[in-house]
Amino acid sequence: KNEVEQSPQNLTAQEGEFITINCSYSVGISALHWLQQHPGGGIVSLFMLSSGKKKHGRLIATINIQEKHSSLHITASHPRDSAVYICAVRRTGNQFYFGTGTSLTVIP
Amino acid sequence: DTEVTQTPKHLVMGMTNKKSLKCEQHMGHRAMYWYKQKAKKPPELMFVYSYEKLSINESVPSRFSPECPNSSLLNLHLHALQPEDSALYLCASSEDNFYGYTFGSGTRLTVV
Repeated sequence: KNEVEQSPQNLTAQEGEFITINCSYSVGISALHWLQQHPGGGIVSLFMLSSGKKKHGRLIATINIQEKHSSLHITASHPRDSAVYICAVRRTGNQFYFGTGTSLTVIP
Repeated sequence: DTEVTQTPKHLVMGMTNKKSLKCEQHMGHRAMYWYKQKAKKPPELMFVYSYEKLSINESVPSRFSPECPNSSLLNLHLHALQPEDSALYLCASSEDNFYGYTFGSGTRLTVV
């Protein structure tokens, strides 16, 4: 069983919809990252969270340390948001443990 | 400069070739990472350098040889690769406390 689980694996939404991607983890962590990977490879770090909530533009990320759960929300989704969204947790040292990703397609 | 730059973007090599991937950052980050990513899979950690010293080697075959000549540069030397080594190779860097984790755009490697 993967230490980091994401849901859903695939998500299709109409432009303008509110989107939620979930991440659950089973181990103690020091931080959680949400990453975005567009077709072609490049990965962008969207958020690093150790508690609470962060907002950047139309993106909101929350984490509940007690429940070992994080969510990434996208408001007013747009086709350019189409990408794979990856949840990754940091345990000890300089290692990430990655979720399997959520492939998001936003249809105009 | 807030980027991690990887070159080349694409590389095709034969199984007897020797080639190198290059990764560069000028953000003052002291930790640098190599990842391998196969299609539709999350990245897999290969190596971690911390303060220019190899701190983590995730049991990577010796045909992959990392090198960190200075705090801004990370190389991955490739020799006698197999077709199954074809993948996207991603470099990343971060501050010592993991803040500012930044990925490069990757090198797509094809071994023929």
